[in-house]
Amino acid sequence: AQSVTQPDIHITVSEGASLELRCNYSYGATPYLFWYVQSPGQGLQLLLKYFSGDTLVQGIKGFEAEFKRSQSSFNLRKPSVHWSDAAEYFCAVGVSGGYNKLIFGAGTRLAVHP
Amino acid sequence: EAGVAQSPRYKIIEKRQSVAFWCNPISGHATLYWYQQILGQGPKLLIQFQNNGVVDDSQLPKDRFSAERLKGVDSTLKIQPAKLEDSAVYLCASSFPGQRVQFFGPGTRLTVL
Repeated sequence: AQSVTQPDIHITVSEGASLELRCNYSYGATPYLFWYVQSPGQGLQLLLKYFSGDTLVQGIKGFEAEFKRSQSSFNLRKPSVHWSDAAEYFCAVGVSGGYNKLIFGAGTRLAVHP
Repeated sequence: EAGVAQSPRYKIIEKRQSVAFWCNPISGHATLYWYQQILGQGPKLLIQFQNNGVVDDSQLPKDRFSAERLKGVDSTLKIQPAKLEDSAVYLCASSFPGQRVQFFGPGTRLTVL
């Protein structure tokens, strides 16, 4: 069965520090992968997506993610974190074929210290 | 372009009461999704519509949850009767048919006392 694991429930970084959020997926076919961000009281906003091609994808707000098939991973990175990046981050895998179902991880809550 | 609209934003009810949530997707988005997000978990798909037809409701607790999309545009999700474990954020999302990116609304936070 398809699944997504985000090993880190909470992460705290200092403003200006680099960030990496981990995501591992389990899926038998070529995955469609997404990172969404959720600020308090808000819905989910798409940061970036991977469908095919270049395994390093760029997203909004200075985020990037790298797809590594051999490790079944799709880690999210940002070189310098801003206080406004504090939020919850969700990795998701899209089931190919069928009806475009998304399977989400449990999320990583990011806190940013000044 | 207007985003996905949901109402109400917050709802508090007693257990065994009924409640309904409304969603209006982005114009032209024929595919509509309802997700349940329990505190500390990622969203879980409850039901998916293509126009006004259900294409996936495998995770919907059908003994108490129902959803409709009568004219293929806006949708209503109902819980009757509510249980304590239904406390969650209910998210609506929409997409163009065949497109994999889903756009989410702000959600309705339900508290069942």
